Amino acid sequence: GAVVSQHPSWVICKSGTSVKIECRSLDFQATTMFWYRQFPKQSLMLMATSNEGSKATYEQGVEKDKFLINHASLTLSTLTVTSAHPEDSSFYICSAYTSGRQYEQYFGPGTRLTVT
Amino acid sequence: GQSLEQPSEVTAVEGAIVQINCTYQTSGFYGLSWYQQHDGGAPTFLSYNALDGLEETGRFSSFLSRSDSYGYLLLQELQMKDSASYFCAVTPVGGKLIFGQGTTLQVKP
Repeated sequence: GAVVSQHPSWVICKSGTSVKIECRSLDFQATTMFWYRQFPKQSLMLMATSNEGSKATYEQGVEKDKFLINHASLTLSTLTVTSAHPEDSSFYICSAYTSGRQYEQYFGPGTRLTVT
Repeated sequence: GQSLEQPSEVTAVEGAIVQINCTYQTSGFYGLSWYQQHDGGAPTFLSYNALDGLEETGRFSSFLSRSDSYGYLLLQELQMKDSASYFCAVTPVGGKLIFGQGTTLQVKP
């Protein structure tokens, strides 16, 4: 099956700093990737759709200047949390799908961000 | 917009059958998916219904009724490892998934 990796798996940073999270499709090409955040015991909230070679599409209420997304290649999307604050602490997960199967998404293992 | 409703928690015993319901309201709809997520892990795809009716995959089955905006996931021969959160998700235009709030299933011995 298709594999999606994320790096790092966890990160602790100080308030005011920026953190970059990488999402890679290891054995398939993904023109579209998605970024979610998940708080404990809650659902996955879609943050943005990352499109290779073009600007990301952000969901309503998500600050695009705070959560910078870059999809530079068909296998790599990055999410940068800028000027992180404690309320940004969360579990960030990316996903992608193989051609034509949008309903069957493959998720990365997630990145747990803690901002102190 | 889209909204999905699921029960927050379900408890069942090993070997039993459990049904997790999902009702949805959405504009533009391709199908209903189900995902499983263990604590601290990533969601994994279980099943998808594009058409009305039942889809069976091993111990898991999923059902969809478009006219009722309703679906369910049926888990048979429950095992302890089935203890997890289960999410229904709709696939609207654009390929993104919109998830329900999730149902925590606890399987007891």
